[in-house]
Amino acid sequence: EDQVTQSPEALRLQEGESSSLNCSYTVSGLRGLFWYRQDPGKGPEFLFTLYSAGEEKEKERLKATLTKKESFLHITAPKPEDSATYLCAAEPQGGSEKLVFGKGTKLTVNP
Amino acid sequence: KAGVTQTPRYLIKTRGQQVTLSCSPISGHRSVSWYQQTPGQGLQFLFEYFSETQRNKGNFPGRFSGRQFSNSRSEMNVSTLELGDSALYLCASSLRTSRREQYFGPGTRLTVT
Repeated sequence: EDQVTQSPEALRLQEGESSSLNCSYTVSGLRGLFWYRQDPGKGPEFLFTLYSAGEEKEKERLKATLTKKESFLHITAPKPEDSATYLCAAEPQGGSEKLVFGKGTKLTVNP
Repeated sequence: KAGVTQTPRYLIKTRGQQVTLSCSPISGHRSVSWYQQTPGQGLQFLFEYFSETQRNKGNFPGRFSGRQFSNSRSEMNVSTLELGDSALYLCASSLRTSRREQYFGPGTRLTVT
């Protein structure tokens, strides 16, 4: 069964304290790995798509990387406005083509 | 460019009733997907429509149905509501059927009492 697991479930950082969020996936072939940010009461906001192992993408203080079994979202020198829930999703190749989401990591950055 | 819009934003219904939710995708986007989000299960895929045809369906009972119109707007219907249907229902649009770079709406918060 296709599965995406995110860790930790929650993470508290001090402003400026860099860290990484983990997304482990078990899918029947990977067409794409997606990262989203979700603020309370809002829909997820698209951040990155990664297609192959070794690929990296950056946006401001965020950098996403992909290996054959997991993806990392690195947050460098975070600010309070980076506080949100970060969701990871995998799109399996062929077959049902359902997008499988992890349950997210809730990030809190304290000033 | 206007984003994905969903109406209504909040809804309270009673068990046994039915409900219809609406989604207007980003202009030019022809694919619309629906998701259910709950604290326990996270985001779960309901179904996807492209050019008025259902292309994919998640593991939800037949009480959950949807449709897409020629202008790409989509509706989702839940019949015979159960307490467990209380959730945030999210709609996402993309240019094509592949779910790359989906853009989500703000969701409809459905509460079933």
